[in-house]
Amino acid sequence: TQLLEQSPQFLSIQEGENLTVYCNSSSVFSSLQWYRQEPGEGPVLLVTVVTGGEVKKLKRLTFQFGDARKDSSLHITAAQPGDTGLYLCAGARRDGGSQGNLIFGKGTKLSVKP
Amino acid sequence: DSGVTQTPKHLITATGQRVTLRCSPRSGDLSVYWYQQSLDQGLQFLIQYYNGEERAKGNILERFSAQQFPDLHSELNLSSLELGDSALYFCASSVGGRASAEQFFGPGTRLTVL
Repeated sequence: TQLLEQSPQFLSIQEGENLTVYCNSSSVFSSLQWYRQEPGEGPVLLVTVVTGGEVKKLKRLTFQFGDARKDSSLHITAAQPGDTGLYLCAGARRDGGSQGNLIFGKGTKLSVKP
Repeated sequence: DSGVTQTPKHLITATGQRVTLRCSPRSGDLSVYWYQQSLDQGLQFLIQYYNGEERAKGNILERFSAQQFPDLHSELNLSSLELGDSALYFCASSVGGRASAEQFFGPGTRLTVL
């Protein structure tokens, strides 16, 4: 069972378009992180959201954490070819201890064509 | 550059063999995490060490083991290798031990089992 579902799985758009990717779960997370991964490299943390309803902006990227802390979205405005990559969301479970780890979604593979 | 180093970058071996992957965390980070990334399963948490002690265990097979040494570097040992073990193996580190802590990923080791 995939605890974190990301959609869409693949997204191919033209430069300048806007897009939104989603990260959904039936579980509550104490925090949620978004990573970007380029081919042959490790994931790089973009943002951490911790409060239900929280919105964070990172230049053209806007991240939102759902009110119930079960879902999140990433919106990119005026996408550029440099935004191409695999976007991963990862939730930190509230029940720590032996379950204290990040649960990753399978990712959204974004391709932005010039 | 995240500051996390992993060696080797590529590893090709045969079924039934044993290999050791090595990770050096960022300076000052006490936690080390190991992940396996495959096309069908995405990024799966394997195990976490904090200051030399096992902190959390994920989907790690019994054929796999890990340890963190006094100098905080970590090794992941994979034995009796099977074709299905072919994947990217990532190490990440963080200052603290909580799942919500910001994790910095290394460049990964690509393991190919023939």
